[in-house]
Amino acid sequence: KNEVEQSPQNLTAQEGEFITINCSYSVGISALHWLQQHPGGGIVSLFMLSSGKKKHGRLIATINIQEKHSSLHITASHPRDSAVYICAVGLYSGGGADGLTFGKGTHLIIQP
Amino acid sequence: GAVVSQHPSWVICKSGTSVKIECRSLDFQATTMFWYRQFPKQSLMLMATSNEGSKATYEQGVEKDKFLINHASLTLSTLTVTSAHPEDSSFYICSAPRRSLYEQYFGPGTRLTVT
Repeated sequence: KNEVEQSPQNLTAQEGEFITINCSYSVGISALHWLQQHPGGGIVSLFMLSSGKKKHGRLIATINIQEKHSSLHITASHPRDSAVYICAVGLYSGGGADGLTFGKGTHLIIQP
Repeated sequence: GAVVSQHPSWVICKSGTSVKIECRSLDFQATTMFWYRQFPKQSLMLMATSNEGSKATYEQGVEKDKFLINHASLTLSTLTVTSAHPEDSSFYICSAPRRSLYEQYFGPGTRLTVT
């Protein structure tokens, strides 16, 4: 079973700071997801990565398959970025997709 | 983009009653859907895999007779919590993968409170 570790667990930063959240997993995967969960509970999928790097607006996600590690970066952070960021990994085979294994999440607070 | 909906978004029920939660893929077909559960301040945990046309597969520790899953069509899976107890109070989320894109789309979740 895959173990997914996220760090830090909690992060408070000032508006404008560059944010990095890390994720490590123990077993080889097909894809890694970064998710955002707001206090109401709804989940938004930010990225799905199987290799390399992706960028969307102020968000950047990278993955190193060999090292089983991924990072999520937020540039020019803003209070509206405050949320829980969750890393999840999954296996996708010819038979279809498996359910994801989730990290415990990183609680991010951006103060104005 | 692909959208997955859930209904209801929140529900309060009394102990001993049953509650049905629906998960729909709105613009794609999903032969597989996943049900997750999240207790307060904890990570999401996979409960079961819903398979269209066959029985659901349950993760270890999840009672299949308590959490009934029916994948009625290629766009609808339902989770019924039978004889609900207060400890079943949780946030239930479904997701549906698009196989060709290997992407998973999440429903907005259903918050269940059992009194």
